[in-house]
Amino acid sequence: QKEVEQNSGPLSVPEGAIASLNCTYSDRGSQSFFWYRQYSGKSPELIMSIYSNGDKEDGRFTAQLNKASQYVSLLIRDSQPSDSATYLCAGEWGGQNFVFGPGTRLSVLP
Amino acid sequence: DTEVTQTPKHLVMGMTNKKSLKCEQHMGHRAMYWYKQKAKKPPELMFVYSYEKLSINESVPSRFSPECPNSSLLNLHLHALQPEDSALYLCASSQDPSSAGDEKLFFGSGTQLSVL
Repeated sequence: QKEVEQNSGPLSVPEGAIASLNCTYSDRGSQSFFWYRQYSGKSPELIMSIYSNGDKEDGRFTAQLNKASQYVSLLIRDSQPSDSATYLCAGEWGGQNFVFGPGTRLSVLP
Repeated sequence: DTEVTQTPKHLVMGMTNKKSLKCEQHMGHRAMYWYKQKAKKPPELMFVYSYEKLSINESVPSRFSPECPNSSLLNLHLHALQPEDSALYLCASSQDPSSAGDEKLFFGSGTQLSVL
C-alpha cells in the first residue's frame, strides 16, 4: 500500500517568515515527488517537482528530498498572505499512479 | 497552451438524471485522469487513460462511466448518482505514460457536482 502522510495543520506563520511543510511516504519505489498548492474551492496547482536527493530551489520555494529517510519537504521563504492555502504532497510510483497526501493547511498571518 | 479545460464548472443533478463532464487538453499529453475530491480531503484517483486506452480503474461504481474519444478529450458520464457522489471532479493530464520518472500532473479547474 503506497501512502503519503502529512500533518494536516493548520500551520500558522507570520508574514515574512519561513514556512516549512513536511511529508513522508511509505514505499521506496517512488522516483518522483510533487508539491501542489490548492486554494479553497479551486483545483490543485503544481508548484514544485523533485526527483533526486537534495534541494531544488524555484524562487521563494525550496523542495528537499531524502529518499533514505523517505521524506520530502517544502520551504516557503518570505511567506505572504497569498500563500495561505492547502499544500498537497504527492508521489508517483510509475504507471501514472500518483498518490496524494491529505494536505497541510497553511495560514500566513499579516 | 498549458491548460486543461473542464466543463461545466458547476453541475446540479437529480438522482435519476444522466449528465456528462467534459475535459479537453491541447498540450499533446497522452495520459488523462479523472479524480474525485471531497471537501478537506486529497484527490482520489478514479480512472486513467494512457494512449486513449483505459489503464487504471480504481473500482469505481458503474454509475460513473469514462470515455476517451481521442487523445485530447476525456468524458465522464454520470447516471443514477447518489448524494454521496457530490464532490469536486478533477480532470488531469500528463505528458508521456512511457517516460520513467519525470511525469507531471496538470489539473483542470474542476466541476463542482451536487447530487440532490
